[in-house]
Amino acid sequence: DSGVTQTPKHLITATGQRVTLRCSPRSGDLSVYWYQQSLDQGLQFLIHYYNGEERAKGNILERFSAQQFPDLHSELNLSSLELGDSALYFCASSDTGSETQYFGPGTRLLVL
Amino acid sequence: AQSVTQPDIHITVSEGASLELRCNYSYGATPYLFWYVQSPGQGLQLLLKYFSGDTLVQGIKGFEAEFKRSQSSFNLRKPSVHWSDAAEYFCAVVPRGAQKLVFGQGTRLTINP
Repeated sequence: DSGVTQTPKHLITATGQRVTLRCSPRSGDLSVYWYQQSLDQGLQFLIHYYNGEERAKGNILERFSAQQFPDLHSELNLSSLELGDSALYFCASSDTGSETQYFGPGTRLLVL
Repeated sequence: AQSVTQPDIHITVSEGASLELRCNYSYGATPYLFWYVQSPGQGLQLLLKYFSGDTLVQGIKGFEAEFKRSQSSFNLRKPSVHWSDAAEYFCAVVPRGAQKLVFGQGTRLTINP
């Protein structure tokens, strides 16, 4: 158990809908990262937040957004969902100044 | 282009045999190096990491990895695999000055009884 929690574990929704994925980092970690794992793209970095501020963006679609709240949990919002958004979404966290990221169990999203 | 390459998509070994999973990276400055394992339906677990110092690093579950600067490689090894080692293994890097992990495509390990 990494100490990173993600909810829900599974999510099934329809095209055009909007969903929110939630992540709680390890106790004391201020950095939260989001990654997408799909069969065709592999594991791709989406976005990084540090203590509530966006620090880096990767291959994140404009339909996707994220935020980190004062209690340090983070949410990834996916809107206007398409079939191709079906994937496993991971959250990771790290300690300040550390390059080591610890991953949550992931949220499996299925868009029908 | 900057990248992480795992040349082997799928490897099958017999239980008790030795294992080596290959990883090469292409970056100007040596990045921070990691190996993660993903068991079926599970998240990513950190096996080991290399930042600097001794080029042979020990990890969890009996795994080790060797950093070779001249070959831009960070290969993962285990002297004797167990059936429970069947999983997908990812080599990953954090490029210097970046704040993200860049992953290889992964190597799926199958263990024959």
